[in-house]
Amino acid sequence: GAVVSQHPSRVICKSGTSVKIECRSLDFQATTMFWYRQFPKQSLMLMATSNEGSKATYEQGVEKDKFLINHASLTLSTLTVTSAHPEDSSFYICSASRGAKMNTEAFFGQGTRLTVV
Amino acid sequence: AQSVTQPDIHITVSEGASLELRCNYSYGATPYLFWYVQSPGQGLQLLLKYFSGDTLVQGIKGFEAEFKRSQSSFNLRKPSVHWSDAAEYFCAVGAGNQFYFGTGTSLTVIP
Repeated sequence: GAVVSQHPSRVICKSGTSVKIECRSLDFQATTMFWYRQFPKQSLMLMATSNEGSKATYEQGVEKDKFLINHASLTLSTLTVTSAHPEDSSFYICSASRGAKMNTEAFFGQGTRLTVV
Repeated sequence: AQSVTQPDIHITVSEGASLELRCNYSYGATPYLFWYVQSPGQGLQLLLKYFSGDTLVQGIKGFEAEFKRSQSSFNLRKPSVHWSDAAEYFCAVGAGNQFYFGTGTSLTVIP
């Protein structure tokens, strides 16, 4: 299967600082990338969907000014958590899809554990 | 609205025993269905998927799932569980260009 690389796998930052998480599709062009947040022992919550070259579509309740998503190329999307607070501590996972329709599968990164202290 | 229900939050089975993880979905059209497995602190790995055709789908690691339209179900099965199968399992529906995940089932395998 295709490979999606997410970096960093773990990050600790101070409250008030910003953190950038990268999601790269290594061997395919990702038309669409998704960003999820996962709380302990819970399912994945879709935060936003991004298509290359256009603005991300955020799910209801997700602050777009706090979680900045950039999908500048077909192989890279970034999530920046701005002015991070302890409540932003979570496991963030990206996925990338080859196609625009769901008759293609999405490939997941290994996730980023963010801890805000 | 689309939704996915995994009724069992946690399941414990003995190694070598059979396994069935339940998944029910709600979607107005023919869904695209997926099962993913997640080890602690890791991303998701695709076990299998159903798009169309044969309703019994074979996946990796000896898993299979059966799509039953009449029951809106897509249950995951494995005839003989190995200790390495202990993980979190997520059922997902692909609708439009998004995934909708169930809440997951945590599998514990005892020797």
